[in-house]
Amino acid sequence: DQQVKQNSPSLSVQEGRISILNCDYTNSMFDYFLWYKKYPAEGPTFLISISSIKDKNEDGRFTVFLNKSAKHLSLHIVPSQPGDSAVYFCAASLNTDKLIFGTGTRLQVFP
Amino acid sequence: DAGITQSPRHKVTETGTPVTLRCHQTENHRYMYWYRQDPGHGLRLIHYSYGVKDTDKGEVSDGYSVSRSKTEDFLLTLESATSSQTSVYFCAIGTFPLTNEQFFGPGTRLTVL
Repeated sequence: DQQVKQNSPSLSVQEGRISILNCDYTNSMFDYFLWYKKYPAEGPTFLISISSIKDKNEDGRFTVFLNKSAKHLSLHIVPSQPGDSAVYFCAASLNTDKLIFGTGTRLQVFP
Repeated sequence: DAGITQSPRHKVTETGTPVTLRCHQTENHRYMYWYRQDPGHGLRLIHYSYGVKDTDKGEVSDGYSVSRSKTEDFLLTLESATSSQTSVYFCAIGTFPLTNEQFFGPGTRLTVL
């Protein structure tokens, strides 16, 4: 049973516009959420995180929103740039040493 | 970048042969992890380690074993490789309990014919 779900396998956005990547989870006990970005032939790199005690965290062009009642997490990238084209994974933790990852969303930013 | 290397980066082997993948870190972190990445499945945890000689199973541990004799090295062994183990394997180090973040190596692409 997939505890962390990314229901959109791909997303295409024009350069300069906003990219919104979504993630749903089933376990209300998750207390920490992370987003990772992955380019082809490279390992995932940490992008941004949020604790369950917050509903928003911002870092430059990247903002993560957490809606605990809906068990929903989203990553906003604004403005989107061609270099943002990658696969994005969301992950969740139960305040343990392990992360549970979603299946990923491939973002393509076109000119 | 976190100091994590993986070797080999690419490997092609035949069904039934043993394979060992190596992960090496220079960060002196206690936690280390092995994941596999497959289309439609994202990243799935195979095994992890919380210290020298301390390891535990992850979500997809069948057919894999690990060893950690030094803080800096974490080995993943496929005792008898099968075609279903064709995948990209990532090692990660973790900063728990300081944070929940993990930092990944560059990956090993393994093909089992």
